[in-house]
Amino acid sequence: EAEVAQSPRYKITEKSQAVAFWCDPISGHATLYWYRQILGQGPELLVQFQDESVVDDSQLPKDRFSAERLKGVDSTLKIQPAELGDSAMYLCASSFYEGAGTEAFFGQGTRLTVV
Amino acid sequence: AQRVTQPEKLLSVFKGAPVELKCNYSYSGSPELFWYVQYSRQRLQLLLRHISRESIKGFTADLNKGETSFHLKKPFAQEEDSAMYYCALSGRRDDKIIFGKGTRLHILP
Repeated sequence: EAEVAQSPRYKITEKSQAVAFWCDPISGHATLYWYRQILGQGPELLVQFQDESVVDDSQLPKDRFSAERLKGVDSTLKIQPAELGDSAMYLCASSFYEGAGTEAFFGQGTRLTVV
Repeated sequence: AQRVTQPEKLLSVFKGAPVELKCNYSYSGSPELFWYVQYSRQRLQLLLRHISRESIKGFTADLNKGETSFHLKKPFAQEEDSAMYYCALSGRRDDKIIFGKGTRLHILP
């Protein structure tokens, strides 16, 4: 069964350093999401792509975060410089639009710890 | 503003007892509602969606537009139901998905 792949699973970085996460969605899924999940809270949408285009990045802290999906397939989320408050689980998800009620498929996530 | 509210952070229920996880939403328009579940050490996955009107693992959820609620119910809890449950919504014209903060369901033996 096809799954969304994310790497690395865990990342520890010092504050002010740069960090990057990678996501490979399910083949054929045009929509890709990056979510941030702080411990004890629900996933918060950071950015949504449709193919290679950003359709929503209203909650992305653009002074330090960037995301790209150059060929409309895999995607990279970058933080530079990392801050202590960025410690969280970063989830990637993808979907194939089937109209209303489309299901999103999630990766295992990358747990980031900033020290 | 689009918002999903799950008032309970933790819900403990005895095995065999009925379960109800509450979800209220705020959305200008007609959203699609979902319940996602995350079992221990597993990835977040879809449990059920309003549009399918299906019962998954004995769970059902009814959309009440008057009360803007989408509560998740199961008549008899099982130990394997212990997990984090997230209520979510998306718009009919886009597939941006907004999640609630989640409720941890703990089934007591």
